[in-house]
Amino acid sequence: DTGVSQDPRHKITKRGQNVTFRCDPISEHNRLYWYRQTLGQGPEFLTYFQNEAQLEKSRLLSDRFSAERPKGSFSTLEIQRTEQGDSAMYLCASSLATGGYTFGSGTRLTVV
Amino acid sequence: GEDVEQSLFLSVREGDSSVINCTYTDSSSTYLYWYKQEPGAGLQLLTYIFSNMDMKQDQRLTVLLNKKDKHLSLRIADTQTGDSAIYFCAETYTNAGKSTFGDGTTLTVKP
Repeated sequence: DTGVSQDPRHKITKRGQNVTFRCDPISEHNRLYWYRQTLGQGPEFLTYFQNEAQLEKSRLLSDRFSAERPKGSFSTLEIQRTEQGDSAMYLCASSLATGGYTFGSGTRLTVV
Repeated sequence: GEDVEQSLFLSVREGDSSVINCTYTDSSSTYLYWYKQEPGAGLQLLTYIFSNMDMKQDQRLTVLLNKKDKHLSLRIADTQTGDSAIYFCAETYTNAGKSTFGDGTTLTVKP
């Protein structure tokens, strides 16, 4: 297992376009998390899954954001009608029910 | 509510010890973590401590937890230039899947 993989590494999009990111977690990990990180800040929680169930979604998360984990394996995060404020690093992490996270390298989104 | 605070910067000389501090507000925190982030990379879990422990040592890393003051520290012995990075403190409480992160301490190690 090569760890948590995220694709793409970088994405530049025009304002108003939709984007989708993919995360492949460590196969034995049943929990998968999405975080967002901007420069000078720590990761901010977006949502997490246990197996295929989405158990929590941040109250700060706009309805333009949606995440899925259809078979309890990989996950996708979609942002509709992107805005410049969505520019950030989107981090995926996975874990067992207890213990710390294993993070991917992130997808850097730039909205122009 | 949940809030994790860290000092923003720390600079030390190679070979010295580094101490990075963190305070948190959620008294029901169960696990407290330290992560390291190098430029352009995701976060790497360094170590963690359960809330029923006071200290944990792992090679050059020592974590101290003062539950009364809700204060966590990470000591790096014999700091090397390769330790230069951003260090994040994070907390998780029972029955919650998510962790709350501080904004990170940038450690600079001078030769």
